[in-house]
Amino acid sequence: GNSVTQMEGPVTLSEEAFLTINCTYTATGYPSLFWYVQYPGEGLQLLLKATKADDKGSNKGFEATYRKETTSFHLEKGSVQVSDSAVYFCALKGYGQNFVFGPGTRLSVLP
Amino acid sequence: ETGVTQSPTHLIKTRGQQVTLRCSSQSGHNTVSWYQQALGQGPQFIFQYYREEENGRGNFPPRFSGLQFPNYSSELNVNALELDDSALYLCASSLGEGRTYEQYFGPGTRLTVT
Repeated sequence: GNSVTQMEGPVTLSEEAFLTINCTYTATGYPSLFWYVQYPGEGLQLLLKATKADDKGSNKGFEATYRKETTSFHLEKGSVQVSDSAVYFCALKGYGQNFVFGPGTRLSVLP
Repeated sequence: ETGVTQSPTHLIKTRGQQVTLRCSSQSGHNTVSWYQQALGQGPQFIFQYYREEENGRGNFPPRFSGLQFPNYSSELNVNALELDDSALYLCASSLGEGRTYEQYFGPGTRLTVT
């Protein structure tokens, strides 16, 4: 079945540092890929998505590129802020299939 | 535009009891999905309702059941509660099916089973 693997956290960075959170997936067919963010005490919010190979999703300074050859969708941001502290989930969905989420990576950004 | 809402926010139940959680979908959305998120883990898909019919189910036992109403709001019912059912239950609404569809999550209901 489909699955998503993420780098284990927590990830702790200083403000303005570069962020990478790795995500790899296993899936049949050509799923869409997503990054969701969960702030403390809240539900999940869609951060960005990509629907086909080589697509780049971007939002709020975050980017991720759909790499079919390496089955990856790594999340990056050039300069993190304290307000980016949250848990980040990589997810995939194929047509007619359910969403599958990774275990999440907790990010803490220190001032 | 009203977002996804869930009630109650928190709930404490005893093992063996039954619980009903409620979700109001975002305006115009006809599909509701329910997820269980255990502490420190990603959401696990329970089931999905599309236009009042169950449209997919994850690896959860039959004591997890649901309902969707004509206004597309939804309920999740869990019978014979077990300690492992303690989790954050998330509802997400969306419009239709497809690889690119986006789902919008509610804030969740935190269920504690003692």
